Amino acid sequence: GQSLEQPSEVTAVEGAIVQINCTYQTSGFYGLSWYQQHDGGAPTFLSYNALDGLEETGRFSSFLSRSDSYGYLLLQELQMKDSASYFCAVRPISGNTPLVFGKGTRLSVIA
Amino acid sequence: DTGVSQDPRHKITKRGQNVTFRCDPISEHNRLYWYRQTLGQGPEFLTYFQNEAQLEKSRLLSDRFSAERPKGSFSTLEIQRTEQGDSAMYLCASSPTGGHSGNTIYFGEGSWLTVV
Repeated sequence: GQSLEQPSEVTAVEGAIVQINCTYQTSGFYGLSWYQQHDGGAPTFLSYNALDGLEETGRFSSFLSRSDSYGYLLLQELQMKDSASYFCAVRPISGNTPLVFGKGTRLSVIA
Repeated sequence: DTGVSQDPRHKITKRGQNVTFRCDPISEHNRLYWYRQTLGQGPEFLTYFQNEAQLEKSRLLSDRFSAERPKGSFSTLEIQRTEQGDSAMYLCASSPTGGHSGNTIYFGEGSWLTVV
């Protein structure tokens, strides 16, 4: 089976940098994805790491270390609109199961 | 708008009634997924289709739940004899096949179900 652990809540100041961690237990997976979801909205894709290392997309970066079963999402120059829930997700190699999501981290950006 | 669309967006129903949700995926996507999400939780996988074939069903999908994608385009999710525990947001998503595309799926806005 697969399980992903994330902190349930994080609070950070506008303009700052925040890191949201994701640790996982899985027998094998294609890569680590990150999704953002605003209250009442749909989850939207942010980033994907197929390989170990850092992927950068504008203010957002994502990191994966398969040897440490660990990844993170890094948000820089935080803006109020970044207040949302962030989910890490993996797609297992075995079987036909598509993306398995963590429980999410609720980020609150304060002035 | 060419994104994933879901209908209805909100549904309030009495316990024991049947409800049906519809999802229209992005037109060129042949994979379609149904997830369920409750407050404070991540999306939980229910089932998915590749074209009209239902390839996987979660054990969360009890006998009261049935999903179809008859022509490989839109899909319906029916819940029979609804229970209060079925209250959740039902999310539909789609993706193309091949490569790492299954890691990037595109969600609709969801259908909120409240069973009273």
